[in-house]
Amino acid sequence: AQKVTQAQTEISVVEKEDVTLDCVYETRDTTYYLFWYKQPPSGELVFLIRRNSFDEQNEISGRYSWNFQKSTSSFNFTITASQVVDSAVYFCALSEADTGNQFYFGTGTSLTVIP
Amino acid sequence: EAQVTQNPRYLITVTGKKLTVTCSQNMNHEYMSWYRQDPGLGLRQIYYSMNVEVTDKGDVPEGYKVSRKEKRNFPLILESPSPNQTSLYFCASSHGAWDTQYFGPGTRLTVL
Repeated sequence: AQKVTQAQTEISVVEKEDVTLDCVYETRDTTYYLFWYKQPPSGELVFLIRRNSFDEQNEISGRYSWNFQKSTSSFNFTITASQVVDSAVYFCALSEADTGNQFYFGTGTSLTVIP
Repeated sequence: EAQVTQNPRYLITVTGKKLTVTCSQNMNHEYMSWYRQDPGLGLRQIYYSMNVEVTDKGDVPEGYKVSRKEKRNFPLILESPSPNQTSLYFCASSHGAWDTQYFGPGTRLTVL
C-alpha cells in the first residue's frame, strides 16, 4: 500500500493564483515526520519543510504555507500568489520513527504556473 | 561547502556490464540512502545505511548492492545492469533517518 499519496498528478494555474497541493499519508506510528521537497526543471531536489507528528501548528514561510491535520492524515501545501518560478514537481514524504528507518516519497505533483 | 556529490552524472552502458555510481558527503552524516526516480512513480528508496557497515534494503533493492566502509561514502553497485534499471538515481544523506535529507545532483543511467 502506498504510504504517501499525492492524488494530483499535474496542476496548471495562472500566475498570481493560489494553489494547494494535497498529500495524504498512512502510518500506524505515533512518532513520524513529514516533508515537502521541490524539484525544479533543473532536476535537483530542494528541501522545503519538515514537520513532526506532535506539532500540528500550521506553518507559513513567505508565500508558502502548510496545513497539517492528523485527523485526516493530511499535510497539504499551499502556494499563495503563484509565480512562474514555482513551476516544479513537488514531493511529499514520510519517515516513521517507531517502526523503521525508511523514507517514503509520494509520486509527486507537477505544477505549471502559466504567465 | 556542504554537499553530496555523485559520479558520474550521466552514464550509458550495456546490459550485463558491471557499474558503480559513487556518492560522497562532507557533512559527517550518519544516514545515507539511494533512490531511483521514474516517471509516475516518484522516488523509491533502494538501500539505506544507518552508519558504517550498517545497510538495509529499501523498497526496490533487487539488482543493486551497496557498501558503507567509510562514513562519507556510499557507492551503489549494479553487478549486471538490465534495461529496467534505466532511471534517474539520487543519493542523499542526513544525520538520522528522520532528519532532513540532502540530495546529490542525480545520476542519469541508461542501460541498453
